[in-house]
Amino acid sequence: AQTVTQSQPEMSVQEAETVTLSCTYDTSESDYYLFWYKQPPSRQMILVIRQEAYKQQNATENRFSVNFQKAAKSFSLKISDSQLGDAAMYFCAYRSPYYNTDKLIFGTGTRLQVFP
Amino acid sequence: DAGVIQSPRHEVTEMGQEVTLRCKPISGHDYLFWYRQTMMRGLELLIYFNNNVPIDDSGMPEDRFSAKMPNASFSTLKIQPSEPRDSAVYFCASSGDRDQETQYFGPGTRLLVL
Repeated sequence: AQTVTQSQPEMSVQEAETVTLSCTYDTSESDYYLFWYKQPPSRQMILVIRQEAYKQQNATENRFSVNFQKAAKSFSLKISDSQLGDAAMYFCAYRSPYYNTDKLIFGTGTRLQVFP
Repeated sequence: DAGVIQSPRHEVTEMGQEVTLRCKPISGHDYLFWYRQTMMRGLELLIYFNNNVPIDDSGMPEDRFSAKMPNASFSTLKIQPSEPRDSAVYFCASSGDRDQETQYFGPGTRLLVL
C-alpha cells in the first residue's frame, strides 16, 4: 500500500523569504500523481500544485514550485517570496492512476507560519 | 463554475440524532469523494463514486454511515444514529471532465455531535 510522509509538523518563514516543505512517499507503482493542497484556517482544501510522475520537469505555479525526485520518492514544495496569506496547513497527497484506486492518500500535514 | 457545494456548513446535533450531509459536485465531473478530517486521524477517504456508482466504501467506519448518489449532481452522507466520536469536518470532492486526476474540494461541513 502507498504511504505519504510529511516529517515536518511545523515550519515558519519570514515574509518575502523562501521555504521548502518536505514530502516523501512509498509506492511500487511507476506511474502516479502527486499533489500539494493548502488548508487555511477556513478549512477549505485548495489545490496548490500537481505533478505527474512520468514528467521529468518540475511543476511550477507562480511562487510555488516542486522538487520531484522520483528515484528518491521525494516531492518537496518550495514557496518563494512568502506572503502572510500563505500561512496554512499544507498536505502532500498521492494518487494512483488505476481504476478502483483513485483515492487520494494524504500525509499528516505541515503547518506553515509566516512572520512579518 | 461554482465549485463543489456542500451543505450545511455547520451542524450541531445531539447524540442519537440522524445527520444528513449534502454535496453537489462540479458539473461534468463523474467522480465524487467523501472525506472526513479529524485531529486524531487526519484526512480519511470514506467512500467514492464513479458515474453515481459506489466504487470503494472500505473507509466507511460502520453501518451507521451510509452514502448515496441518486444522480450526477447530488450526493448525501448520512449518519444514523450519530455519536460524539463522529464530530469532524466532512469534505466532499469531485474530479473528472478533462482533469480526472485532480480532486476539487468543497468547503466542508463541520459536524459537532454533543
